[in-house]
Amino acid sequence: GENVEQHPSTLSVQEGDSAVIKCTYSDSASNYFPWYKQELGKGPQLIIDIRSNVGEKKDQRIAVTLNKTAKHFSLHITETQPEDSAVYFCAASFNDYKLSFGAGTTVTVRA
Amino acid sequence: DTGVSQDPRHKITKRGQNVTFRCDPISEHNRLYWYRQTLGQGPEFLTYFQNEAQLEKSRLLSDRFSAERPKGSFSTLEIQRTEQGDSAMYLCASSLGQPLMNTEAFFGQGTRLTVV
Repeated sequence: GENVEQHPSTLSVQEGDSAVIKCTYSDSASNYFPWYKQELGKGPQLIIDIRSNVGEKKDQRIAVTLNKTAKHFSLHITETQPEDSAVYFCAASFNDYKLSFGAGTTVTVRA
Repeated sequence: DTGVSQDPRHKITKRGQNVTFRCDPISEHNRLYWYRQTLGQGPEFLTYFQNEAQLEKSRLLSDRFSAERPKGSFSTLEIQRTEQGDSAMYLCASSLGQPLMNTEAFFGQGTRLTVV
C-alpha cells in the first residue's frame, strides 16, 4: 500500500514569514495529493489539492508543488498569520477513494 | 446542509463493553468513509461505502468492528468487546464519488473514544 512521510513534525514561524512542509510517497501510481488543516477539536479540512497532471497549484497564500519523478510534494504558506496555526496533513491516493495520510506537521505562527 | 455530523463527540467506556457511533454525511454524497486517528498521527483508512454497499475494509478493521450504511444514508460503526488499544478519534467523511477520480472528502468532527 501507499506510505506517506511528512516533515517536519513541528514548525514554528514568525508571523509574516513563509512555512514549507514536505511529503514523500511510495506508490508511483498515486495521482491525487490533498492537503488538510486540522484545528483543535475539529476534523480535517481540505485546503488545497493537486493532481498528477499538474506540477504546481496556487490559491491565494497557499501553494502546492508536485515532483512525480522524485515522488514528493510540498505545501507553501506565504505571509503566515496567527490563524494559520494548526496541524497540517498531506495525503496521497492511487485509487479514487482511499487517502493515505502523513503523520502531520504542527505549525505555530508567532505573533 | 451543515456538513458531516458525528455522534457522540466523546465516549468513555469500560474495556469489554460495546460501543456504536453514528455518522450523518452530507445529504447528496454517495460515498462515506471511516478513518481512525490516534494521537500525533494522521487518519488511517478503515472502510468505505458507495451508497449502501461496503466496498473495502482495511486490515485494521478486526472482527470486532462492524460498519453499516442502511439505505445509503447515515452510517454506524460498532466496536464489540472494546480494548484499550481501540482508544482513538474515529472520523467519518463523505464525498460525491466519481469513477476513477478523487473528489474532496469532507470530514466530520470525529468521535473521541476512550476505553478505560
